[in-house]
Amino acid sequence: SQQGEEDPQALSIQEGENATMNCSYKTSINNLQWYRQNSGRGLVHLILIRSNEREKHSGRLRVTLDTSKKSSSLLITASRAADTASYFCATVNYGGSQGNLIFGKGTKLSVKP
Amino acid sequence: DGGITQSPKYLFRKEGQNVTLSCEQNLNHDAMYWYRQDPGQGLRLIYYSQIVNDFQKGDIAEGYSVSREKKESFPLTVTSAQKNPTAFYLCASLASGGARVTGELFFGEGSRLTVL
Repeated sequence: SQQGEEDPQALSIQEGENATMNCSYKTSINNLQWYRQNSGRGLVHLILIRSNEREKHSGRLRVTLDTSKKSSSLLITASRAADTASYFCATVNYGGSQGNLIFGKGTKLSVKP
Repeated sequence: DGGITQSPKYLFRKEGQNVTLSCEQNLNHDAMYWYRQDPGQGLRLIYYSQIVNDFQKGDIAEGYSVSREKKESFPLTVTSAQKNPTAFYLCASLASGGARVTGELFFGEGSRLTVL
């Protein structure tokens, strides 16, 4: 069952620009996580935001969460070619078993040098 | 270094054959998971195990089987009953201790299965 839906499906920007990806979900959540996947590789956890948090930062990453709109955004500032990857949001539903994340289909980010 | 090791990275199977994908972790994590990823899609949960000798079906368990005889190991068998097995398979484990309640997953590098 799909929970998060990322938008856009694909994003192409120049190095140095900011990249914004959005995620919408359907049910109440405990937390929302963002993962990164390089082509043909496993996923790497980037950042987690709890349902009672509105904004979180980690290096060049900024995540926001609006539970009233059931949406989250991931901002990558001053993007680099090495940021080229697919980015997935994943949710842990309220009352759900920890670790049973529900993943969206991802946003494919291409950063051109 | 601690991590999750999946093998083989690439696997080819003839129709009608069972194949087993290996997943080993040395992170001392209790919970382990198998996901399937199709091109342009997100991850779908096949099976998960929260403790040794116990496992539960995920959303798309049909045609797959698992075992959890050791904490470190969670192999996935793709049986001949799986009608469309060509996909990228990802194994993951759940961080324990202070990070346990967050549900942050640690992933292996994946195994790509192709049915000939």
